Parts: sequence; structure tokens; C-alpha cells
Amino acid sequence: DIQMTQSPSSLSASVGDRVTITCQASQDITNSLNWYQQKSGKAPKLLICDASNLETGVPSRFSGSGSGTDFTFTISSLQPEDVATYYCQQLDSLPFTFGPGTKVNIK
Amino acid sequence: EMQLVESGGGLVKPGGSLRLSCEASGVTFSTYSMNWVRQAPGKGLEWVSSISSDSAYIYYADLMKGRFTISRDNAKNSLYLQMNGLRAEDTAVYYCARIRMAADGSGAFDIWGQGTMVTVSS
Repeated sequence: DIQMTQSPSSLSASVGDRVTITCQASQDITNSLNWYQQKSGKAPKLLICDASNLETGVPSRFSGSGSGTDFTFTISSLQPEDVATYYCQQLDSLPFTFGPGTKVNIK
Repeated sequence: EMQLVESGGGLVKPGGSLRLSCEASGVTFSTYSMNWVRQAPGKGLEWVSSISSDSAYIYYADLMKGRFTISRDNAKNSLYLQMNGLRAEDTAVYYCARIRMAADGSGAFDIWGQGTMVTVSS
């Protein structure tokens, strides 16, 4: 199975700050990496697919990059509505695995 | 756009069974592969099972093999998860989610239901 790790597990930043989350796969997954946002009590929402493709309607302050085993998710200017837990997920091979999540809060 | 609504969750005793349903509306359900994903209280997301559009391909996470059965009825726009031999550690919110597949084989879980809570406790 492909293991996914994320860091940090949580962070607090000020409104307007640049926030970066990293995700690492235990083996090469090319660009089969997705990012989801989950707000408290809600279902996950797909933000970025294929490592760097922003979903329609998702604000451009969100971005993703990387390939192979190392990936980065960035919020260029943190907004209050971005408070959530963010998960990476690989769809390269079964079982589809998620990272443990990164909880983002406002300082 | 497709909308997904889960139902069937509830309180069940250890060793018991439960059948979850996920009803789709809005878009042609029969053309999409579907998934179940669960989330234990305060924990992360865990993929449970996948089924192809025509039910020809079915996959399970190892922890669920032999206990859970995924199925679908395209005529009823519905996805199901039959859960037997439930354990306390199966307590979670269960989400159904659509896979959107691209021509190059890449994919993402692009539409999710609101989830249904399953509690396994005596």
C-alpha cells in the first residue's frame, strides 16, 4: 500500500499569510495526487486534482505543485473562511489512501 | 450536477449488521464509479470500497474484506454498503463519493454526500 504523510499536522497563521502544506508518498505516484478541504462537520471538498489543477470555482489563492513523491499545497493569502483540515489523497493505485490531514487555524 | 444523499446509519450492537444507501440525483449515475469513505470521530479520512459503473470491478480496503459488500442499482440511481460483523472500530461517518476519471486515467473524488453516522456500541 502507498503511505501518505503530511506536514505539519496543524498550523496557526495570520490572515493574509502564505501557508504551505507538504505531502509525501511512500512511492512514485506521478501526479495522481488530490487535495481536499474539510470544514468542521462538513463533507470533504475537492480543491485540486492531478497535483496542480484547480477545480472550477475554487479561489485562485489555492495552488498545488509537485510530482513523483513530493507535493506541496499553498494558500497564498490565508482567509478566515480557509479554517479547515486539508487532506492529500493518492489515486495512483488501490487502496486509495489519504494523508492524515493538516488542521489550519487563524492566529 | 450530481447530488448524493446517504441514509441508513444508526446505532447497532457489536456483531450486528447495517445497510447504508446513497441516492444520486442530477446527472447520469450509471456512468460513474462510486466509493465509500469513512471518518471515525476526530480522525482522518479512510477509503472503504469502490465499485465501477457496471459493477464489474469491486475493491475493498483490507480491513473491510469479507465483512462489507458494496453494490449499486443503476436503475434506482443508488449505491449501497452492506456491513456485517460490525465492530466498535467501525464507528464513523460514512460518505459516498463519485470518482471523476480523466482520459489519462487520473481521477478524483469530486462529489461527496453529506455522510451518515454509524455507531457500533452495546
